[in-house]
Amino acid sequence: DAGVIQSPRHEVTEMGQEVTLRCKPISGHDYLFWYRQTMMRGLELLIYFNNNVPIDDSGMPEDRFSAKMPNASFSTLKIQPSEPRDSAVYFCASSPRGNTEAFFGQGTRLTVV
Amino acid sequence: GDSVTQMEGPVTLSEEAFLTINCTYTATGYPSLFWYVQYPGEGLQLLLKATKADDKGSNKGFEATYRKETTSFHLEKGSVQVSDSAVYFCALSVPAGGTSYGKLTFGQGTILTVHP
Repeated sequence: DAGVIQSPRHEVTEMGQEVTLRCKPISGHDYLFWYRQTMMRGLELLIYFNNNVPIDDSGMPEDRFSAKMPNASFSTLKIQPSEPRDSAVYFCASSPRGNTEAFFGQGTRLTVV
Repeated sequence: GDSVTQMEGPVTLSEEAFLTINCTYTATGYPSLFWYVQYPGEGLQLLLKATKADDKGSNKGFEATYRKETTSFHLEKGSVQVSDSAVYFCALSVPAGGTSYGKLTFGQGTILTVHP
């Protein structure tokens, strides 16, 4: 299995631009999670999906952030417009139902200048 | 709300030294507890887990025991190696209904550096 695949690995963008981060979960996993990692706040859950439906988006920091999961094999996290304080590493993770672990992708390092 | 507190880092050890990283938690329900490891430039990998009180999780020489009475889940290894250098995260999950263990609350992470 290829694991959770995120793209791009690195993204540098200018303030005000739209940024889209992509995630392909492990095939057969029912749950998909987006996390953000910063020095100040550590690892935070932004949103998670169950069977492509958003269940809890209480961690999404502002309306500038949106996430979609149009099918079981693809999810996006979009920031529009981006700001320097959005600079962070964004992780996607997936897990199957039940008593098991979450599998993390390698992350996307976003830098907004 | 749920929270996890890890010992302040970074931790620097010589190879073959004993390692302890402290972790305590607060949770509204009955959590499962995890240790994740992050190697440089990579995502998080599950190191070990425990799902009920007094369970001991173990993997690659690391172990941690779920202590409900002290709300702790300290990570230990008897003899560290240079290859253990990484960031270690303690985490909890309180699944409800069909929720998976992917909805995690993390500690702040502890940087471990092991010198030859």
